[in-house]
Amino acid sequence: GENVEQHPSTLSVQEGDSAVIKCTYSDSASNYFPWYKQELGKGPQLIIDIRSNVGEKKDQRIAVTLNKTAKHFSLHITETQPEDSAVYFCAASRKTGANNLFFGTGTRLTVIP
Amino acid sequence: EAQVTQNPRYLITVTGKKLTVTCSQNMNHEYMSWYRQDPGLGLRQIYYSMNVEVTDKGDVPEGYKVSRKEKRNFPLILESPSPNQTSLYFCASTPGGTYGELFFGEGSRLTVL
Repeated sequence: GENVEQHPSTLSVQEGDSAVIKCTYSDSASNYFPWYKQELGKGPQLIIDIRSNVGEKKDQRIAVTLNKTAKHFSLHITETQPEDSAVYFCAASRKTGANNLFFGTGTRLTVIP
Repeated sequence: EAQVTQNPRYLITVTGKKLTVTCSQNMNHEYMSWYRQDPGLGLRQIYYSMNVEVTDKGDVPEGYKVSRKEKRNFPLILESPSPNQTSLYFCASTPGGTYGELFFGEGSRLTVL
């Protein structure tokens, strides 16, 4: 099955700086890569996703890049704010639905005011 | 309000005492699934259901049962809980299709003594 590795496990940045979280996947057939944000005491929530037919996607301060050849994808957060502090999970899937999404181990991001 | 509701949110129980964690969604989603979240291991799928009366094992199904008698409900049953089932549990649903966002409940923290 798919194996998703995520780094770093913890990340602290100063407010206003950028944060980058990296993930690698093992299954070359994976074609969908979502990122979820989990705030304290809440369930994870989708923040951005990318499909294998594109190399980059942006949504305001958040961007995701995908390198299919190297089988890695990254989350970039610019101009970080305290409310960006959360645990972030990457995931990979051949298709969606409840049965084929494999999650990374999570990154706890702390934005220091 | 569209949501996934889990109960109980917190539970402390003892080894061997059967318990059920309920999950209900009001979005008419086809897919539902259960995950457990453990430090350093991320989110791992326990069971999933693609529709009423259709369930299947995820990555870590041992010690758990599920049922899907109605579209909106997907309870997780621990017939004889053990301490290694102490974890944070999340129910999720998705409409399915090609690329579907997972909607998570707020989590149920279970401690088995």
